[in-house]
Amino acid sequence: DQQVKQNSPSLSVQEGRISILNCDYTNSMFDYFLWYKKYPAEGPTFLISISSIKDKNEDGRFTVFLNKSAKHLSLHIVPSQPGDSAVYFCAAKTGANNLFFGTGTRLTVIP
Amino acid sequence: ETGVTQTPRHLVMGMTNKKSLKCEQHLGHNAMYWYKQSAKKPLELMFVYSLEERVENNSVPSRFSPECPNSSHLFLHLHTLQPEDSALYLCASSPVIGNTEAFFGQGTRLTVV
Repeated sequence: DQQVKQNSPSLSVQEGRISILNCDYTNSMFDYFLWYKKYPAEGPTFLISISSIKDKNEDGRFTVFLNKSAKHLSLHIVPSQPGDSAVYFCAAKTGANNLFFGTGTRLTVIP
Repeated sequence: ETGVTQTPRHLVMGMTNKKSLKCEQHLGHNAMYWYKQSAKKPLELMFVYSLEERVENNSVPSRFSPECPNSSHLFLHLHTLQPEDSALYLCASSPVIGNTEAFFGQGTRLTVV
């Protein structure tokens, strides 16, 4: 049973607008959440993370929001750029244990 | 040099073949991982090594055999695979086991025919 779910396999956004990628999880013991970005023919690269003691973490154009009561995580990219087109994976972990990944959302930013 | 390097990038093998995937990291990390990504499925953790010792084996069939001769190198030996084993195999490393930010290689796209 998948503990981390990304229900939207794809998302298209106009350049300059906001991209919102969503992620839901089932395990209330998760205490750390991450977003990875993957370009074709490359491995995933770490993008941004958030601890369960926070509800928001911002890094430049990227902001991650955490709603623990809803077990929901989202990644906002503002403004979106064509170079942001990639597959975005949500991941979560408990303590020193290993990461559980979602299936990914393919973002296409249209110039 | 990239941080985590995997070879080969693509591999086609028959079900009776024996092949090996190689992963090398130049980051000085102590933990290394093998993940499998099948189509439309999340990345699945296969094996975890910490300081060359296997610390986790997530119910992976014995036709997959990992080897970690030192903290910079990780192999995945393959034999008598099935077509359903066709997937992208990703290697990752992190400074210590369980560290949040794993660094991934580019992956090996494996096709079993």
